[in-house]
Amino acid sequence: EPEVTQTPSHQVTQMGQEVILRCVPISNHLYFYWYRQILGQKVEFLVSFYNNEISEKSEIFDDQFSVERPDGSNFTLKIRSTKLEDSAMYFCASRRADNSPLHFGNGTRLTVT
Amino acid sequence: QKEVEQNSGPLSVPEGAIASLNCTYSDRGSQSFFWYRQYSGKSPELIMFIYSNGDKEDGRFTAQLNKASQYVSLLIRDSQPSDSATYLCAPLSSNTGKLIFGQGTTLQVKP
Repeated sequence: EPEVTQTPSHQVTQMGQEVILRCVPISNHLYFYWYRQILGQKVEFLVSFYNNEISEKSEIFDDQFSVERPDGSNFTLKIRSTKLEDSAMYFCASRRADNSPLHFGNGTRLTVT
Repeated sequence: QKEVEQNSGPLSVPEGAIASLNCTYSDRGSQSFFWYRQYSGKSPELIMFIYSNGDKEDGRFTAQLNKASQYVSLLIRDSQPSDSATYLCAPLSSNTGKLIFGQGTTLQVKP
């Protein structure tokens, strides 16, 4: 069964550094998402992406964040200057069409020191 | 009012019992509802979805939806220790197509 894949599984970085989290959505999916989950808290929406552009972003998704779909398969989340509070699990998700369920990747655990 | 409300629990049931998980949501325009299971440190895993009022059964799981009451629930029959996890209720936003997650209900099934 096709799945969403994320790399790396764990990323440790120093405060102020840039990180890129990578995702390969399921191949025939059209909608792409990034969510994050701070330890012990709920899964929070960051951004959605459709037709090669951002369709919605949350208040969390400020100027330090950006997303790209550089080719037909990858979907990346860049955090330009990481802060301690960016430490969280970051989940990529994709879905095929309207009303269909989101399928999540295994996540990247980001630790900012 | 929170967009999605769930009792955080923990909800503790004995093995073999029925576990009942509840969720209310604020967006009256939501048409699709999803239940995800999340084990500690893992990603959400889809277990059920429901679009129409009433019940939908899939194996040991039954989802129930009442749009007039803005209420959705999940029943797990014959609960097993492996069902111990956090269950996330997630309506699909009517305007934006994003999933909005509740805090989740932690279920503990005791052998």
